[in-house]
Amino acid sequence: AQSVTQPDIHITVSEGASLELRCNYSYGATPYLFWYVQSPGQGLQLLLKYFSGDTLVQGIKGFEAEFKRSQSSFNLRKPSVHWSDAAEYFCAVAPYSGAGSYQLTFGKGTKLSVIP
Amino acid sequence: SQTIHQWPATLVQPVGSPLSLECTVEGTSNPNLYWYRQAAGRGLQLLFYSVGIGQISSEVPQNLSASRPQDRQFILSSKKLLLSDSGFYLCAWSGGRGHRGANVLTFGAGSRLTVL
Repeated sequence: AQSVTQPDIHITVSEGASLELRCNYSYGATPYLFWYVQSPGQGLQLLLKYFSGDTLVQGIKGFEAEFKRSQSSFNLRKPSVHWSDAAEYFCAVAPYSGAGSYQLTFGKGTKLSVIP
Repeated sequence: SQTIHQWPATLVQPVGSPLSLECTVEGTSNPNLYWYRQAAGRGLQLLFYSVGIGQISSEVPQNLSASRPQDRQFILSSKKLLLSDSGFYLCAWSGGRGHRGANVLTFGAGSRLTVL
């Protein structure tokens, strides 16, 4: 079974600073990888996804993530953080499958705080 | 475009009372539907998923149940709530088999349940 580890429970950065959120996964084959963001009391919004091809993926809100197969990682980055980026971020992995039904395995999340 | 609605947004119920959370999806047909629970500091836990009307798969044994009476309606229920049922419940949908968005989950805004 697949698993996802987000090593950092809470990260605090200053507004304008760069950001990198770490995600490591365990899966025996090529996975589908996702990053979601959750504002307090809200649902999850998809930031970006990796299915295949270019290992550097661009997402919404200026985020990007890089898939590194050798490191089993899919770290999320942003060059300059805005105060509105304060939220909780979840990495997720799904089995590579053509089936319509599948299950995402989520990491436990990283809470991002932004200092003005 | 597709939208997902979830209600009620907030619910406070006494122990032993029944529960009904409802989720509907608009703008698509034959979606896969999911119920997740999010407890503080524990990430997201998949409770149920459904690939079609009347087809429910349960991931975690518990006193909750799910039903799918219509193609785009998914209901989470309990006959008698426990304190441990408190949490944030998220409904989600994805495309069905062969659908272009089969591997991307879109979440509702969530329902906050407090059991007293």
